[in-house]
Order: sequence, then structure tokens, then C-alpha cells
Amino acid sequence: AQSVTQLGSHVSVSEGALVLLRCNYSSSVPPYLFWYVQYPNQGLQLLLKYTTGATLVKGINGFEAEFKKSETSFHLTKPSAHMSDAAEYFCAVTTGNAGNMLTFGGGTRLMVKP
Amino acid sequence: DTAVSQTPKYLVTQMGNDKSIKCEQNLGHDTMYWYKQDSKKFLKIMFSYNNKELIINETVPNRFSPKSPDKAHLNLHINSLELGDSAVYFCASSLQVYSYEQYFGPGTRLTVT
Repeated sequence: AQSVTQLGSHVSVSEGALVLLRCNYSSSVPPYLFWYVQYPNQGLQLLLKYTTGATLVKGINGFEAEFKKSETSFHLTKPSAHMSDAAEYFCAVTTGNAGNMLTFGGGTRLMVKP
Repeated sequence: DTAVSQTPKYLVTQMGNDKSIKCEQNLGHDTMYWYKQDSKKFLKIMFSYNNKELIINETVPNRFSPKSPDKAHLNLHINSLELGDSAVYFCASSLQVYSYEQYFGPGTRLTVT
């Protein structure tokens, strides 16, 4: 079975500050990891993904995440927050088994203060 | 062009009614999914279809019946709606069942009164 834990349901940062959203996963086989962003009243947009290869992955809008197998983590970062980054962020995992079912974390709402 | 589209965007109905939500993707993908997002924003897989065949059914009540007339469409029919069915339902698709990247539709907000 696979699971995802996102630490902090709400994170608040000032504009220009570092963004760090935490994600830890549990999987019995090598995982494939994703970050999705959901703006208010919209669907989910893929920010970035880790499947194989380089453990530091870059995504859209200046976000990046690092897969750390030893820590079972896939934290999302952005060096400088922008007001437009305010949204809900979801970490997700799949192992490719069981029909490629995505298991999501509970989400983290990012608030950006001016 | 919208890659994954859903209709309607909003659906308000009374308990006991039957309703359908439609999903279409124009990406040429083989695999489609339905997810449910509850009021706490928690997302959970409901169904997965690959080339019109059901491959995942995550212990969803049998009042929910997905139907895939072709691989570009996956509709969700719900019988005897209950208050607890109120949620946002997202359709998604991926190129193949082992293509890990999924593309999501805009969601359908279902409110049962």
C-alpha cells in the first residue's frame, strides 16, 4: 500500500520569501511522485514529477522538488514566493501498479502575504 | 482547446435523484479516471478505465456507475443521491495505464440538498 503525508495543512509566507511545502510518502516499491497545484475553483495542474533519474526535478512557475529516498520525502520549494502562488498544493504517489492509481496527500494551502 | 472537459461544472440536486456527469478528453489517451474531492479537499480515486474496460473500483458504492462508450469518454452516473455525495468530482486521463502523468479536468461541484 502507498500513502502520502503533507505536513502543515496551511503555510503562510511573505512575498519574496522561500516556499517550502513538505511531503513524505510510504511505498513498498519504488514510487513515482508528483506535485499538483489547485487554484480556487479550478482543476489540478501538474507542477512537476519524479519518475526515475535525477532526484532534483524542476517544474513550472519556478518550483522544484527533491526526491530523497533515505528520508522518504519529496518536498516542494520555490526560492521566492509570488502572490500568484497562493493556492492548494497536493503531493501524490503512484507505483504504477494497481492501474496507476494516484494516492494524494491531504493538501497544503499556501498563503502569500504582501 | 480543452484537454479534459467535464459537464456540468455545477450540479445542485435533491436527495434521491439520479444524475450524470460527463467527461471527455481530446488527448488520445487510453486511460481515464474519476476522483472525488470532499469538503476537506481530500482527493481519492474512485474508478479507472483503460480502453473502455474497468481496471480500478475503489470500494465505491454501487449507486455510482461509470460508463465508457469509447476511450475518449468516461461518464459517471449516480443513483439515489445522498447528502454525503456532495463533493467535487474530477475526471482525469493518462496516455496509457502505466503512463504516470495524469491530466485533470476542471471538476464538477455536486451539491445534494
